[in-house]
Amino acid sequence: AQSVAQPEDQVNVAEGNPLTVKCTYSVSGNPYLFWYVQYPNRGLQFLLKYITGDNLVKGSYGFEAEFNKSQTSFHLKKPSALVSDSALYFCAVRDPYQGGKLIFGQGTELSVKP
Amino acid sequence: DSGVTQTPKHLITATGQRVTLRCSPRSGDLSVYWYQQSLDQGLQFLIQYYNGEERAKGNILERFSAQQFPDLHSELNLSSLELGDSALYFCASSALSSGAQETQYFGPGTRLLVL
Repeated sequence: AQSVAQPEDQVNVAEGNPLTVKCTYSVSGNPYLFWYVQYPNRGLQFLLKYITGDNLVKGSYGFEAEFNKSQTSFHLKKPSALVSDSALYFCAVRDPYQGGKLIFGQGTELSVKP
Repeated sequence: DSGVTQTPKHLITATGQRVTLRCSPRSGDLSVYWYQQSLDQGLQFLIQYYNGEERAKGNILERFSAQQFPDLHSELNLSSLELGDSALYFCASSALSSGAQETQYFGPGTRLLVL
């Protein structure tokens, strides 16, 4: 069965510092991994995805994610955090055996302080 | 703006009632997914339709049903509502059914409150 885990419920970062939001996965077969962000009272916005190829994936708003097969991780990163990055971040894995549904982690609340 | 629209944005109803949530996918997308977001269960997949046909089912209650119409919009019907059904319901769409590279784009959600 496919699953993802986000080990941190909350991450606190000072503005201008690098940020990392962690995600680990467990899949049978090739992993198809996604990151979404949810701002208060808004829907989920797609940030980036890993399907195959380069382990460093670049996405929207300056975010990137590093795929590490040996550690089964897909951590979200940004070199310099902004206060406006404060939101709820979800890692997800796609299940190709069940219509391509997304299986989400429990979410990580990112708080960036000025 | 993802291009996926959902109505209504908010819905307040009473236990035992029935409601219908509506979703219009992005132009050209054939696949529609429904998800439920609640504090205790997180984000859970409910059901998927592709070009009018049901493709996959998740942990969807028997009191819930969905359909996709010829114009590709979808409706999620929730009946005999219980307090525990209070949640944010998201619709997402993608172009195809289950291609690995497919990205699902989410609507703004419908917040359901059952009193």
